[in-house]
Amino acid sequence: DIVMTQSPDSLAVSLGERATINCKSSQSVLYSSNNKNYLAWYQQKPGQPPKLLIYWASTRESGVPDRFSGSGSGTDFTLTISSLQAEDVAVYYCQQYYSTPLNSFGQGTKLEIK
Amino acid sequence: EVQLVESGGGLVQPGGSLRLSCAASGFTFSSYAMSWVRQAPGKGLEWVSAISGSGGSTYYADSVKGRFTISRDNSKNTLYLQMNSLRAEDTAVYYCAKDPFDAYCSGGSCYFWYFQHWGQGTLVTVSS
Repeated sequence: DIVMTQSPDSLAVSLGERATINCKSSQSVLYSSNNKNYLAWYQQKPGQPPKLLIYWASTRESGVPDRFSGSGSGTDFTLTISSLQAEDVAVYYCQQYYSTPLNSFGQGTKLEIK
Repeated sequence: EVQLVESGGGLVQPGGSLRLSCAASGFTFSSYAMSWVRQAPGKGLEWVSAISGSGGSTYYADSVKGRFTISRDNSKNTLYLQMNSLRAEDTAVYYCAKDPFDAYCSGGSCYFWYFQHWGQGTLVTVSS
């Protein structure tokens, strides 16, 4: 099974500053036949279900602000919020869907305002 | 607009059973794979089970295999999760989630995707 590990577990960033969350998979989630990374990012605000932000490691879901971006390939990925807004306070999860149906999530990173 | 509305959660004793439902609207239900994902109180996300659009292929996490059964009624646009032999560690909010496509099935195995849409969840509490 592919294990997803996020870092840090929690993060405090000042408003307007950059926030960076890392996700590492125990094996590559890059599918060589189509050169796509099977990696998604979700945002979960308190009391709400998760919301899809990014898929294929770097494709922003429709309606997601462009301050959110995803990067990386193979086993190492990053979610970046370029200029933190108050409404971005949430827990963020990465998920691999390379080895579905046994897909797996990272443990989550809690993002707060400094 | 895609809508997923879960129901059926509640308090149940250890060893008991519960059936969750997820009513879907706003899309052609039978054309999409669906999953159940749960979240224990204060914990992270755990995939539980997945089903292809036709309902012909089903998959389970090891933690629920043999106890839970996923199914769907495409004529009613509804996804189900039958949960038997419930344990305290099954206590969680259960979300139904929609894939962006149907499962890709080849060589006897099916492959699923990320979760594009989520319901609001239903709380299952297993306690005596």
